[in-house]
Amino acid sequence: AQTVTQSQPEMSVQEAETVTLSCTYDTSESDYYLFWYKQPPSRQMILVIRQEAYKQQNATENRFSVNFQKAAKSFSLKISDSQLGDAAMYFCAYRNWNAGNMLTFGGGTRLMVKP
Amino acid sequence: DAGITQSPRHKVTETGTPVTLRCHQTENHRYMYWYRQDPGHGLRLIHYSYGVKDTDKGEVSDGYSVSRSKTEDFLLTLESATSSQTSVYFCAISEFDRSPLHFGNGTRLTVT
Repeated sequence: AQTVTQSQPEMSVQEAETVTLSCTYDTSESDYYLFWYKQPPSRQMILVIRQEAYKQQNATENRFSVNFQKAAKSFSLKISDSQLGDAAMYFCAYRNWNAGNMLTFGGGTRLMVKP
Repeated sequence: DAGITQSPRHKVTETGTPVTLRCHQTENHRYMYWYRQDPGHGLRLIHYSYGVKDTDKGEVSDGYSVSRSKTEDFLLTLESATSSQTSVYFCAISEFDRSPLHFGNGTRLTVT
């Protein structure tokens, strides 16, 4: 079974600084997607960024970028120029079509942004 | 935002009572999912559907059943609620099997 591990239960960053959230996963598959979701206090799950495993280029969405290391099974999220609105729970997730199309989540990292 | 409505938004019920949560979508997406969220576990898949009357189990399906008689509605039923089913329940949809999942706003269920 696939597992997704987020080793940092909590992180904090100063406003305008950069922070990196870690994620590792375990799989024997070669074709899969990876995602980062943001969950603010409103409880809404918001897709931040996604990465296709067959693409070598790291995905980027404005201030959010990933460092995808396929051989190391690592998928970290970098948030640049952190803003107060970035404070939330962040979940890393893995999806593979040989596993019933399930989206498997890590346990989450709570990000606090200090003004 | 994807058109997903979960009802109710909050519910408190007693142990042993049946409970049904509803997920309604206006996107005509083929795939629908039920997840539960518990501290330290992220979200875990309960059941999912890949079409009308086509459903399958997820990793934490014990004690839950689902039904999908229409494309737009996916119901999650707890036949006899237990305290361990106290959780936040999320519905999600996706258009194709490789499309991103879009989530509803969740239902907080408390079983006393």
